[in-house]
Amino acid sequence: EVQLLESGGGLVQPGGSLRLSCVVSEFTFSSYAMSWVRQAPGKGLEWVSSVSDSGDRVDYADSVKGRFTVSRDNSKNTLYLQMNSLRAEDTAVYYCAKIGPRKQWLSPFDYWGQGTLVTVSS
Amino acid sequence: DIQMTQSPATLSASVGDRVTITCRASQSIRNCLAWYQQKLGKAPKLLMYDASILESGVPSRFSGSGSGTEFTLTISGLQPDDFATYYCHQYIRYPGTFGQGTKVEIK
Repeated sequence: EVQLLESGGGLVQPGGSLRLSCVVSEFTFSSYAMSWVRQAPGKGLEWVSSVSDSGDRVDYADSVKGRFTVSRDNSKNTLYLQMNSLRAEDTAVYYCAKIGPRKQWLSPFDYWGQGTLVTVSS
Repeated sequence: DIQMTQSPATLSASVGDRVTITCRASQSIRNCLAWYQQKLGKAPKLLMYDASILESGVPSRFSGSGSGTEFTLTISGLQPDDFATYYCHQYIRYPGTFGQGTKVEIK
């Protein structure tokens, strides 16, 4: 069974940094692009960032561009999101998601992790 | 960015009902539309992609249709497990954008 497990969330002060990780299993990680999607408390879903299967192509939502960096380590089956200069409006549950079922940059998200909560507050 | 608008925001229905959720795109997205189901406190689950292709393991009472700018998700014979929030999502180009969600609640 495909599994995605996020970690690294927590409480951080405005202006602070946090690094999220997502370890995956039961699929060939290096063959699929991956994404981060967030959901503020009581709100809808917002795409944050995507990275290609090899890691050489990335994209970001305007709301996080210049502050967040997505990366991956295919040898460790792990996706990362480095979040700097955090703001109160970044408070959300952050989900990692596998782009699929096709191996295309533009595809839906066929598997999701359980999410990790990031709270930005003083 | 492409705006996705869902209606209604909330839908009250009974077990056995046929329900329809609509999603409209601010410009043509061809058939690059997915539907997700999210239960409280859980991650979203992919139901449908390419507007009408049922994801593996999803019950056949779910169906999707549409292309261009208007899409529908239909549940034929609502089951207790179907009470949840549903989101549409366009992936024709970045940034991918979601509808605001439709909550299906018990009447």
